[in-house]
Amino acid sequence: DSGVTQTPKHLITATGQRVTLRCSPRSGDLSVYWYQQSLDQGLQFLIQYYNGEERAKGNILERFSAQQFPDLHSELNLSSLELGDSALYFCASSVDGETGKNYGYTFGSGTRLTVV
Amino acid sequence: GNSVTQMEGPVTLSEEAFLTINCTYTATGYPSLFWYVQYPGEGLQLLLKATKADDKGSNKGFEATYRKETTSFHLEKGSVQVSDSAVYFCALSSYSSASKIIFGSGTRLSIRP
Repeated sequence: DSGVTQTPKHLITATGQRVTLRCSPRSGDLSVYWYQQSLDQGLQFLIQYYNGEERAKGNILERFSAQQFPDLHSELNLSSLELGDSALYFCASSVDGETGKNYGYTFGSGTRLTVV
Repeated sequence: GNSVTQMEGPVTLSEEAFLTINCTYTATGYPSLFWYVQYPGEGLQLLLKATKADDKGSNKGFEATYRKETTSFHLEKGSVQVSDSAVYFCALSSYSSASKIIFGSGTRLSIRP
């Protein structure tokens, strides 16, 4: 157990629907990062939050949004889902951005999203 | 921009063989370099890291040396085991990449008994 908890582990939904993925960071970590892992594109950085504020944005579609709550858990919202959104979505955490940059992140086990 | 290039897989070896997975990077300044491992059905785990030139990261028999002159961070292990079968990701972070870590495309390693 890495200490980063992601729910649900698996999600199957239809095109056009909206889903919410949840991440609880490791205790004491203030930064949360979301990554998308698909077969053909490897690991793509989506977005980072630090202590409730958006800190960095990557290749995140406008249909996707995220937030970090006061208790530091984060949610990734995916809407108007398309078949191509099927992927593994990982959350990672670090104490802060600088620590993560220098020492690496702790990853959760991911949510596998299948859009049918 | 910053990027990581690693050898394409899959790589298949026999148990006790020598392993090398090549990784080269492009980055401004002095990035930190990482190797992550992903076992089937699991998330990524940090395997080793190096934060400055000539540093050697090591863990579980794996090693990688930060070579600034060749911009490389090749992963090596002297004698692989079946349990090393996984996907390996080379990654970097630098001040110009803000705080995010940039990953290579991953190399799938399979070890035959």
